[in-house]
Amino acid sequence: NAGVMQNPRHLVRRRGQEARLRCSPMKGHSHVYWYRQLPEEGLKFMVYLQKENIIDESGMPKERFSAEFPKEGPSILRIQQVVRGDSAAYFCASSTGTGNYNEQFFGPGTRLTVL
Amino acid sequence: DAKTTQPTSMDCAEGRAANLPCNHSTISGNEYVYWYRQIHSQGPQYIIHGLKNNETNEMASLIITEDRKSSTLILPHATLRDTAVYYCIVRMNTGNQFYFGTGTSLTVIP
Repeated sequence: NAGVMQNPRHLVRRRGQEARLRCSPMKGHSHVYWYRQLPEEGLKFMVYLQKENIIDESGMPKERFSAEFPKEGPSILRIQQVVRGDSAAYFCASSTGTGNYNEQFFGPGTRLTVL
Repeated sequence: DAKTTQPTSMDCAEGRAANLPCNHSTISGNEYVYWYRQIHSQGPQYIIHGLKNNETNEMASLIITEDRKSSTLILPHATLRDTAVYYCIVRMNTGNQFYFGTGTSLTVIP
């Protein structure tokens, strides 16, 4: 059973370009979470999605960031007009649901570098 | 925000038990204690979690004090591959997200 897949693993963008990060959850998981980790810091929650629905986006920056989890295909985290401060590792996690016995399984992350 | 306090770093000799403490003095009755670790910029890996009782699995043991204001993660026989940042997290049973603090950087020394 493959784990959480993220691609690309490394992404380089110039300021002003768009970044698209993809996450395929574990088989059977319908809940996806995105986290961001700045250098030397812990992970910070961004958004929680179920299929076709955003459940909690309290950690998402108000501008330039969006996320989706379509009925078919991976979840996408989209960053428009990237700036140097967006350089970070972005981790996706998935679970079968919320609650005690639904721990989150994390992918390997996408490392975004903005030049 | 993170509701836990952990030491910034710890060392442990290879083959010895690693005891990682965590304070969560404001934990509420329906919040669980979770432990994850992150090995050199990989994705975080789930270790163990508990509510009141001590827990043990193939990776570690979790000891929670009777007042639940602190806990200790025990790696019984640390190996070099256990070198990582260990995060102690409290979360409600129905919570959506994990609040990661800065964790404890554990270095296992040969």
